[in-house]
Amino acid sequence: EIVLTQSPGTLSLSPGERATLSCRASQSVSSSYLAWYQQKPGQAPRLLIYGASSRATGIPDRFSGSGSGTDFTLTISRLEPEDFAVYYCQQFGNSPLFGPGTKVDLK
Amino acid sequence: QLQLQESGSGLVKPSQTLSLTCAVSGGSLTSGGYSWNWIRQPPGKGLEWIGYISPSGSTYYNPSLKSRVTISVDRSKNQFSLRLTSVTAADTAVYYCARAGMSLGSYFFDYWGQGTLVTVSS
Repeated sequence: EIVLTQSPGTLSLSPGERATLSCRASQSVSSSYLAWYQQKPGQAPRLLIYGASSRATGIPDRFSGSGSGTDFTLTISRLEPEDFAVYYCQQFGNSPLFGPGTKVDLK
Repeated sequence: QLQLQESGSGLVKPSQTLSLTCAVSGGSLTSGGYSWNWIRQPPGKGLEWIGYISPSGSTYYNPSLKSRVTISVDRSKNQFSLRLTSVTAADTAVYYCARAGMSLGSYFFDYWGQGTLVTVSS
């Protein structure tokens, strides 16, 4: 059974700074099946990245994804005020699984 | 634009059955190679996938919930439903319906409902 771990649990940054979020799988995951979501309070998650590195429709290019195997990264190049949220990685195997999330909050 | 909308009872007594429906508009449940999913989120916690139903009606459930879950589809109404039996307080959560899309061999949840809070309490 695959386990996803996200780090850090909380990332405290200021607008304009770069955010680097990590997602680690307990065993190798196909890059095709790795996605990232953003969730704001009271809202449903929103797809940001699929296939580890492809941006979903309408997602700004300050969001980028990378990685393969067991280590994946979501990078926000310059934080905008609307980017402060919780971010989840997700693997889409036989039994889809979400990581525990990383909260990006205002420093 | 595809839209999903959950509905159902917001309060369920322990040991009873939770029932929710997801109405799909702006597209057909039976078109395309999509699966239709239920996902839940306990208050203040992370996301848990519950299961899906395919356009053909085949289902697949999270092994941890499999014995209590049934997902079904009503093609005439373009909606799909979730039943979760023998609920406890641990089943209190916001329940989302979502479509699983596919592009270039990648799968992802691309459309979500707004979510509905179900509380299990006597």
